[in-house]
Amino acid sequence: KAGVTQTPRYLIKTRGQQVTLSCSPISGHRSVSWYQQTPGQGLQFLFEYFSETQRNKGNFPGRFSGRQFSNSRSEMNVSTLELGDSALYLCASRPGQGARSNEKLFFGSGTQLSVL
Amino acid sequence: EDKVVQSPLSLVVHEGDTVTLNCSYEVTNFRSLLWYKQEKKAPTFLFMLTSSGIEKKSGRLSSILDKKELFSILNITATQTGDSAIYLCAVDRSGGGADGLTFGKGTHLIIQP
Repeated sequence: KAGVTQTPRYLIKTRGQQVTLSCSPISGHRSVSWYQQTPGQGLQFLFEYFSETQRNKGNFPGRFSGRQFSNSRSEMNVSTLELGDSALYLCASRPGQGARSNEKLFFGSGTQLSVL
Repeated sequence: EDKVVQSPLSLVVHEGDTVTLNCSYEVTNFRSLLWYKQEKKAPTFLFMLTSSGIEKKSGRLSSILDKKELFSILNITATQTGDSAIYLCAVDRSGGGADGLTFGKGTHLIIQP
């Protein structure tokens, strides 16, 4: 079974631009979460999608948004990039059957975003 | 505010040593505690702990949870250079509106030959 796939692996942008990152979950998984990882803050929760609906959202500004498609693939978008948005963006999936259950997350290898 | 604190933040030991990594937490509506190993980019799952006092084992790695004192430890015996990684502790909460996993900042473990 293929794992969680994220594209692109690396991205360089300049301040003020916007960026879209893509995530394909493990086949059959319906829940996709996004996390931001920086050396100073560690991993921080951005949002979670289940069946095309945002189920939870972390404490990030409105410049960070996402969506999920009917095939469970997900995208996240960051508009008006700032230097502080430079980070590793990790996507994770889990089956997410019915109500939110006690399941472990499977992570992708992330997209390393550098904002210049 | 929910909090997960890992210690030490970094640790350098020699191959063959035994290490103990610590994770303490303060969260509402605790559901489970998870340990992940991050070698390059993708964190990989090690253990999920939901009940106190039950030790989980996988080869040379083991972990236990104390829900009364709100902490967990991850033990690695007979360490190998391949154990070098960042070890992440995370807590999952239950209930509607739970905000994903809350992670600690990780312990960067370096095993010297």
